[in-house]
Amino acid sequence: NAGVTQTPKFQVLKTGQSMTLQCAQDMNHEYMSWYRQDPGMGLRLIHYSVGAGITDQGEVPNGYNVSRSTTEDFPLRLLSAAPSQTSVYFCASSVGGTMYGYTFGSGTRLTVV
Amino acid sequence: GENVEQHPSTLSVQEGDSAVIKCTYSDSASNYFPWYKQELGKRPQLIIDIRSNVGEKKDQRIAVTLNKTAKHFSLHITETQPEDSAVYFCAARSWGNEKLTFGTGTRLTIIP
Repeated sequence: NAGVTQTPKFQVLKTGQSMTLQCAQDMNHEYMSWYRQDPGMGLRLIHYSVGAGITDQGEVPNGYNVSRSTTEDFPLRLLSAAPSQTSVYFCASSVGGTMYGYTFGSGTRLTVV
Repeated sequence: GENVEQHPSTLSVQEGDSAVIKCTYSDSASNYFPWYKQELGKRPQLIIDIRSNVGEKKDQRIAVTLNKTAKHFSLHITETQPEDSAVYFCAARSWGNEKLTFGTGTRLTIIP
């Protein structure tokens, strides 16, 4: 199993550009989430999904869109990049049920200039 | 929604001593409490977790305790080693809530 795979690992965007961060898991996990990590602020939830076709907003959803057309994939779209979106982004997945932790991808370091 | 507070934000201990990190949570319905370790430039990795029907859990040098009445849980690392240096995150999840809420992290430094 590859686990949770994120691409790209690094990205530099200009303000106003759009892009998609890719996330795929091969563990047949129902739950998938996107977090952003900023210094001193821990991991904040952007969007999450409890299964194919179902998504919901987390703590900091503004400026981001997600979709979940398959169990394996959960892409995160930045609609119009802003410097405030400079961060490290982690995708994570979990088996169904609330008594399990998440497995994280290796992260994408995004810089918006 | 759930709010998780974590203390201290930084912690330095001599190699061989013990380290304790504490977290409090706000949602009394929370029933799952994992701890993650994140080394510099790496992804967070689950190191231990505890469910609400258990008061304490140990795994070699790592232990977690849970006090449901006071709504706090703690990570204990004994006989610390240099490879324990990392940022540690606590988190909480409640029944029927798919979201995992994290604390703001503790940077643990082991002094040789």
